[in-house]
Amino acid sequence: DIVMTQSPLSLPVTLGQPASISCRSSQSPVHSDGTTYLHWFQQRPGQSPRRLINKISNRDAGVPDRFSGSGSGTDFTLKISRVEAEDVGVYYCMQGTHWPWTFGQGTKVEIK
Amino acid sequence: QVQLVESGGGVVQPGRSLRLSCTASGLTFSSHGMHWVRQAPGKGLEWVAVISHDGSDKQYADSVKGRFTISRDNSKNTLYLQMDSLRIEDTAIYYCAKMDCGPDCPLDYWGQGTLATVSP
Repeated sequence: DIVMTQSPLSLPVTLGQPASISCRSSQSPVHSDGTTYLHWFQQRPGQSPRRLINKISNRDAGVPDRFSGSGSGTDFTLKISRVEAEDVGVYYCMQGTHWPWTFGQGTKVEIK
Repeated sequence: QVQLVESGGGVVQPGRSLRLSCTASGLTFSSHGMHWVRQAPGKGLEWVAVISHDGSDKQYADSVKGRFTISRDNSKNTLYLQMDSLRIEDTAIYYCAKMDCGPDCPLDYWGQGTLATVSP
């Protein structure tokens, strides 16, 4: 199984400041079709998860443009350009290329 | 609007069974693969299983393979998860989710989750 490793696991940030989360996969999540099905999810406190970024860098509908994704190979990054109060929660990367799909451990973003 | 509503959670003893359901509305259920994802109390997300739109293809996490069975009834717009030989470590909130992503990645949808507790 592909292991997804996130860092840091806890990220205190100041409102208005940027934040960055790293995700590393134990194997390349590139599909045989050439696509990398690496996604990012947000789970706000008390809520169900929702996908923010699909296929490394595509924002899902309704996601603010302060969120961006990048990366290639086995190293991927989620960035928040200016953290807002509503961004508090846990962020997960997930590979949806190889069965079984696997999530990272999660990174808890909180306001300093 | 799309709604996914899980049910069937509860408290069971180790070794017993539980069947979860997820009823969908607001979408063409029979056109989409569907997933179960779980979250142990205070822990992260764990992908559990997926079933193709017509039920012909299924995949499972290693931790549940051979014990859990995913199925669907497209005439009832309902997804199921039959959980047998339950273990204490299966205690979790179970979410059903539509999160297909291929050439296009339409918006994902998740239910509110149902809590399954395995306890002696």
